[in-house]
Amino acid sequence: GDSVTQMEGPVTLSEEAFLTINCTYTATGYPSLFWYVQYPGEGLQLLLKATKADDKGSNKGFEATYRKETTSFHLEKGSVQVSDSAVYFCALMSDSNYQLIWGAGTKLIIKP
Amino acid sequence: NAGVTQTPKFQVLKTGQSMTLQCAQDMNHEYMSWYRQDPGMGLRLIHYSVGAGITDQGEVPNGYNVSRSTTEDFPLRLLSAAPSQTSVYFCASSQTGTEVYNEQFFGPGTRLTVL
Repeated sequence: GDSVTQMEGPVTLSEEAFLTINCTYTATGYPSLFWYVQYPGEGLQLLLKATKADDKGSNKGFEATYRKETTSFHLEKGSVQVSDSAVYFCALMSDSNYQLIWGAGTKLIIKP
Repeated sequence: NAGVTQTPKFQVLKTGQSMTLQCAQDMNHEYMSWYRQDPGMGLRLIHYSVGAGITDQGEVPNGYNVSRSTTEDFPLRLLSAAPSQTSVYFCASSQTGTEVYNEQFFGPGTRLTVL
């Protein structure tokens, strides 16, 4: 079945460092891909999404490109801030049953 | 516009007790769902609903019941709580359940501990 694999955390970086959080997926058909973020003590909120191959989602300085050839949707940011500390979830939505399949989440810690 | 609200925020139960987690949304969304979040496992779908009067099982439905009598409300019932149900529970909604690009909106979660 469909699945999402993302890098284990925690990932600890200094402020202004470059961020990459890897996400790869297995799916049949043409899924949509998402990154959600969960700040401490809060629910999840959508960070960005891409609905077809080669689409780039972007928001708040974060970017991710839907790469069908490598089945990947890596999250990147050029210069992280302390306020980016959160748990980041990669997810896909199958076009067959419209259910979200979630990665395990990656905790990001940014130190000043 | 409150979005998705959940009550309570925290709950402690004894094994065998029953309770209902409340979820409501004011965005007129057709699709609502319940997830549980466990460390290292991401979110797992418990039950979902594509509209009032329609519910279906997700990945981990055992021990839970749901109903959807109105568009706004989607309560989750624990029939006889077990320690394995200790988790954080999230309710989510989206405009419809039949499009792959729909954003899901999440409530703040309920942290449940079963002793």
